[in-house]
Amino acid sequence: DAKTTQPPSMDCAEGRAANLPCNHSTISGNEYVYWYRQIHSQGPQYIIHGLKNNETNEMASLIITEDRKSSTLILPHATLRDTAVYYCIVRVFTNAGKSTFGDGTTLTVKP
Amino acid sequence: NAGVTQTPKFRILKIGQSMTLQCTQDMNHNYMYWYRQDPGMGLKLIYYSVGAGITDKGEVPNGYNVSRSTTEDFPLRLELAAPSQTSVYFCASSYGGVYNEQFFGPGTRLTVL
Repeated sequence: DAKTTQPPSMDCAEGRAANLPCNHSTISGNEYVYWYRQIHSQGPQYIIHGLKNNETNEMASLIITEDRKSSTLILPHATLRDTAVYYCIVRVFTNAGKSTFGDGTTLTVKP
Repeated sequence: NAGVTQTPKFRILKIGQSMTLQCTQDMNHNYMYWYRQDPGMGLKLIYYSVGAGITDKGEVPNGYNVSRSTTEDFPLRLELAAPSQTSVYFCASSYGGVYNEQFFGPGTRLTVL
């Protein structure tokens, strides 16, 4: 599975959009991009995933570049409750054995 | 649905003791996983299962054992506890297929002294 690179930390003002980048330059054609977040010490929570098209759900939007070498998770109106560690994972969806999470990005939303 | 439940929430072990961390899911998911998370770090996969009777090693399996006799349960066994196994343990499950969204339990905080 492709390796991902994320900035260790980011800040965002409350009410503004939070844009979290992820680099996955070695991604292969059948690998999906998944995003999870972990609030405080709770179990991680699934946010969104995509293959090559941009995706949107009630939580966030996922923008994947045309060459699929990077992606951005967008939280359109960040709130204090969005403060968490955000993990970007790239893997073939059937490959359950390659489900390790990296260190992620700590997003701090400030009032 | 209760989702993924884990017991116990907290446990302190002495070096050399053994214990079983319990994990149960009520979503009829095929896939189940065990992760450990050390302070300030990401999650590392210990073992996983793609169905009852089928288990396989993840990234950090040494010192652990698992079994999957039913779809619902996926216990993690520590035979000879060591300080290096002090961590938070998360169990997760997923249906499989194209979504394969993982649902996580609340975690078990284990300290080995």
